[in-house]
Amino acid sequence: AQTVTQSQPEMSVQEAETVTLSCTYDTSESNYYLFWYKQPPSRQMILVIRQEAYKQQNATENRFSVNFQKAAKSFSLKISDSQLGDTAMYFCAFMKHAGATNKLIFGTGTLLAVQP
Amino acid sequence: DVKVTQSSRYLVKRTGEKVFLECVQDMDHENMFWYRQDPGLGLRLIYFSYDVKMKEKGDIPEGYSVSREKKERFSLILESASTNQTSMYLCASSPTRDSRAPNEQFFGPGTRLTVL
Repeated sequence: AQTVTQSQPEMSVQEAETVTLSCTYDTSESNYYLFWYKQPPSRQMILVIRQEAYKQQNATENRFSVNFQKAAKSFSLKISDSQLGDTAMYFCAFMKHAGATNKLIFGTGTLLAVQP
Repeated sequence: DVKVTQSSRYLVKRTGEKVFLECVQDMDHENMFWYRQDPGLGLRLIYFSYDVKMKEKGDIPEGYSVSREKKERFSLILESASTNQTSMYLCASSPTRDSRAPNEQFFGPGTRLTVL
């Protein structure tokens, strides 16, 4: 069975600085997807970034980038130039490639506070 | 924009009551999901559906049932609510095949259920 581990329950960063959120996972699959979702306070969960395991290049979306280390089964999220609006709960998630049902397995989340 | 709506943001029920939580999506997605979110546990999958009238158990189906009579609507039913079902419930939907957003799940705003 697949598992996703986020070892940092809470983190804090100053506005404009860079922060890295950690995620490790365990799977015997060779092809899969990894995601970071963001849940702002009292607002809907949204996708931040996705990575396909067969792609070696790390995904980037504006200020958000990942460090995907397939052999180490590590998938960290880097947020550059942190903004107050980045304050949220961040969830790392895993999805097997095979099949059409798109089931996600989530980590326990990291609560990020961006301080002014 | 994809829109996933849930029938209530907050709900208070008494032990033993039958509770219906409804979710509607407007993007013709094949897959729909129900999760519960608890502090320190992340999101855990209760049930999912990959087609009308089709359903599969997730990781924690005990005490819950679901119904999907129409493609756009997925209902979560608590047959006899108990205090340990007090939680945040999140609905999500995703397309089976969509080149614009492969394998992304779109979430509703959540229903915070309190069982007294």
